[in-house]
Amino acid sequence: DVLMTQSPLSLPVTLGQPASISCRSSQSLVCSDGNTCLNWFQQRPGQSPRRLIYRVSTRDSGVPDRFSGSGSGTDFTLKISRVEAEDVGVYYCMQYTHWPYTFGQGTKLEIK
Amino acid sequence: EVQLVESGGGLVLPGGSLRLSCVASGFTLSGYWMHWVRQAPGRGLEWVAKIKDDGSERNYVDSVKGRFTISRDNAKNSLYLQMNSLRAEDTAVYYCARGGQDWGQGTLVTVSS
Repeated sequence: DVLMTQSPLSLPVTLGQPASISCRSSQSLVCSDGNTCLNWFQQRPGQSPRRLIYRVSTRDSGVPDRFSGSGSGTDFTLKISRVEAEDVGVYYCMQYTHWPYTFGQGTKLEIK
Repeated sequence: EVQLVESGGGLVLPGGSLRLSCVASGFTLSGYWMHWVRQAPGRGLEWVAKIKDDGSERNYVDSVKGRFTISRDNAKNSLYLQMNSLRAEDTAVYYCARGGQDWGQGTLVTVSS
């Protein structure tokens, strides 16, 4: 299985400050169609996961533009330009290139 | 508005069975691969199974192969997960998902004696 490794696992951030989460995969995530099949999800406390970004860098509808994704091959990053209180939760990267699809361990973002 | 509503969770003895259901609304199920994803209490996410739009292809994570069966009834806009020979480690919230974009609220399965 493809191992997805996130860091850090805990991320205390001051409101209004930027945040960055790293995700590394054990194999290339380039799909057969040439895209890179990497998603980012947010899971707020007590809620279902919500997809923020797909194919590395495309934001889902309704996702604030303070969220951005980047990377290629096996190294990916989720950035939040200015953290707001509603961003508290756990963030997961997830690959859907290889079956079984796999998630990173999750990064818990909290407000300092 | 897309909605996915799971049901069928509950408390079951080890070795027992449960059938989860997911009813979709706001879109036509037949056009999409559908998925089950689970989350053990306080833990991360695990993609359990997926089924092609016409039901002709199904895939399972190794930990559930031979015990779980994913199925669908496009006429009823419904997705199912038949879970047999349940183990304590199957205890989790089970989510129905349309790709990665749309998720249900989840249904809790607890396997315990």
